[in-house]
Amino acid sequence: AQSVTQLDSQVPVFEEAPVELRCNYSSSVSVYLFWYVQYPNQGLQLLLKYLSGSTLVKGINGFEAEFNKSQTSFHLRKPSVHISDTAEYFCAVSDDGGATNKLIFGTGTLLAVQP
Amino acid sequence: EADIYQTPRYLVIGTGKKITLECSQTMGHDKMYWYQQDPGMELHLIHYSYGVNSTEKGDLSSESTVSRIRTEHFPLTLESARPSHTSQYLCASSDRAYGYTFGSGTRLTVV
Repeated sequence: AQSVTQLDSQVPVFEEAPVELRCNYSSSVSVYLFWYVQYPNQGLQLLLKYLSGSTLVKGINGFEAEFNKSQTSFHLRKPSVHISDTAEYFCAVSDDGGATNKLIFGTGTLLAVQP
Repeated sequence: EADIYQTPRYLVIGTGKKITLECSQTMGHDKMYWYQQDPGMELHLIHYSYGVNSTEKGDLSSESTVSRIRTEHFPLTLESARPSHTSQYLCASSDRAYGYTFGSGTRLTVV
C-alpha cells in the first residue's frame, strides 16, 4: 500500500526566509503527487500537483515542488515566506495513479512564520 | 469561489441525536469522498463514492453512513451521535487525477 511521510510536524521560520517542507512517499507504481494547504477553520486548498512531465512544479502563492523519483520525494519550497503563509500543509499521493483516485495524505506540517 | 458546499459549518449536538452533514458539488464530478480530521490534523478517509448508487467504506472504520442518490449530493449521517464522533468532517470531489476540491468542512461537537 502507498504511504506518505512528512517528517516535520512543525517548521518555524522567520518572515522573508526560505522554507522547505519535506515529503517522502512509498509506491511501486507511477504516482500522482499533491500538496494542499489548510488555513485555520478552512478546508484544504490545492497548492500544486505532479502528474507527469517536468519534475519542477510551480503552484500558487509562490510555492514550488520538485519530484525526485530516485529519492521518492516531493519537497515543497518557497524562497521567501510571508506571515500569511502560516498554515498546515499536507502532502498526498494518489492511491493508484487515477483508477480510483483515492488520495493518501501525510500527517501534515505546520508552517509557523514569525515576524 | 467554492464549488463544493458543506453545511452546517459548525454543529453542537447532544448525545444520541441523529445528524446529517450535507455536501453538494456543482462540478459534475463522479467521485466524492468524506474525510475525518483529528484534532491533531491527520486526515482519515471514511467513505467514498464513484458515482450514483456507489458507496464504499474508507480506510478508517466509521459508524456513519452515506448515500449517493444524485451526482451532486453526498450526505453523511450519524444515527446516534456520541462524544467520540467529535471531529472535523471534510467532503471532497474529484475528476480523474486532477486532485480533489474540498469543502470548508463541518466541525462537529457532541456533548
